[in-house]
Amino acid sequence: QVQLQQSGAELVKPGTSVKLSCKASGYTFTSNHMNWIKQTTGQGLEWIGIINPGSGGTSYNVKFKGKATLTVDKSSSTAFMQLSSLTPEDSAVYYCAMGGRRFDYWGQGVMVTVSS
Amino acid sequence: DVVMTQTPVSLSVSLGGQVSISCRSSQSLVHNNGNTYLSWYLQKPGQSPQLLIYKVSNRFSGISDRFSGSGSGTDFTLKISRVEPDDLGVYYCGQGTQYPPTFGAGTKLELK
Repeated sequence: QVQLQQSGAELVKPGTSVKLSCKASGYTFTSNHMNWIKQTTGQGLEWIGIINPGSGGTSYNVKFKGKATLTVDKSSSTAFMQLSSLTPEDSAVYYCAMGGRRFDYWGQGVMVTVSS
Repeated sequence: DVVMTQTPVSLSVSLGGQVSISCRSSQSLVHNNGNTYLSWYLQKPGQSPQLLIYKVSNRFSGISDRFSGSGSGTDFTLKISRVEPDDLGVYYCGQGTQYPPTFGAGTKLELK
C-alpha cells in the first residue's frame, strides 16, 4: 500500500533552515507528483509547491517562493523540502502529499516549531 | 487565487443521520479540458487529511458509498448519509483547477 513516511518534529531557531523528508513506498515514485502543504490553525491548509520526481521539475506557490525548495532523491524514493530564513510564522505542520490536481495520499505530517 | 468558502463552519449530527456541507468557489472550477477538479478531504482528530471525493463526485479507493459529492461551476455539496462515529472530524473542499491549489477553511462534524 502507498505510504509516505515523514521525518520527525523539528525545533529550530529563527533565521536558520530546516530540511524535511518524505520517503515514499508502495508505488512508482517517479510516476506521481509530490506536493508539500502547510497547515496552521490561523491560515488552514496552504499549498506550497509540487515536484515531478521523474524530471525534478518544480512549481511553487508565489507566497512560498524563496522560502521553500523542493528536491528529490530518486535512488531512495524520498522527497525533500528545505525551508530557509525561518521565522515564527513558519511554525506549522507540514505534509507531503502525492498527486496532481488532487492529493491522493498524505504523509503523517511533521511539526516545525521556530523559536529562540 | 481561487477562494473556497465552506458552510457551515460546524455541524452537529446524530449517529445514523444525514448531513450536507456546502463549498463555493470564487471562480468557476471548470478546467479548459472540461474537467472540474473539486475534491473533498476528511481530517480525523490527530490524523492527516484523507481524500474522499475527487472531480466533484468520484469516490476515492475504499471510500464508502455513504459519501457522495455533487455540484458544478462554483457550487458544490458533500453529503454524508448514515453517519458513523468514524466520520467525525473536519471536512475540507479543495480545488486543483487553477494554480495554486486552494482549500476551504473546513467544516467540523461533531456528534449531537
